[in-house]
Amino acid sequence: QSVLTQPPSASGTPGQRVTISCSGGNSNIGSNYVYWYQQLPGTAPKLLIYRNNQRPSGVPDRFSGSKSGTSASLAISGLRSEDEADYYCAARDDSLTDYVFGTGTKVTVL
Amino acid sequence: QVQLQESGPGLVKPSETLSLTCSVSGDSITSYSWTWIRQPAGKGLEWIGRLYYSGSTNYKSSLRSRVTMSLDTSKNQFSLKLSSVTAADTAVYYCARVGLTGGYYGDEAFDFWGQGTMVIVSS
Repeated sequence: QSVLTQPPSASGTPGQRVTISCSGGNSNIGSNYVYWYQQLPGTAPKLLIYRNNQRPSGVPDRFSGSKSGTSASLAISGLRSEDEADYYCAARDDSLTDYVFGTGTKVTVL
Repeated sequence: QVQLQESGPGLVKPSETLSLTCSVSGDSITSYSWTWIRQPAGKGLEWIGRLYYSGSTNYKSSLRSRVTMSLDTSKNQFSLKLSSVTAADTAVYYCARVGLTGGYYGDEAFDFWGQGTMVIVSS
């Protein structure tokens, strides 16, 4: 059972904006950076956002991250069919000293 | 371009030790820290632990008594051993690099991943 909670699913039509939330606590999101990973079907996860809101080279600016207090969110604007994937937030947890992943959100493009 | 490749037995018997190796190309394993993550079929990601370039380790609290990670600098590889396995350890196991940022505690981005290897625990 993860300490970072995400909605199990989210969906939108092409071109829409979709937002995924990640709820944690003071010992994880509240005191450490948040990361987001995208996992396309049948593939390894890919780093999408680091340090709350930074995009690695090659990640489209349609993807953006934010953090406020003990919650974080990932926004996908201009939704495309290739964005259909599972998305995971992650952060260090100071209480556990573990790196924890969120429960994951499956994004469907309608 | 950094590439990682997991290898090891795809089938392990219950109570035995799971052993996997991650071969790294395009980078020296002494330049970064490395990590293992696993994913049971149809489920989410679970962090297993981190191996620093110095050889020191940081394991998931609930797995600490069964996990060992180590570096083999001569082969540019690092390994994972998980003892006393049960069916609950059946998963796809990924290795990844802790890079992009300084990799300090709390600032850890897993920027390059292997393709993953499936390990089934069954008699």
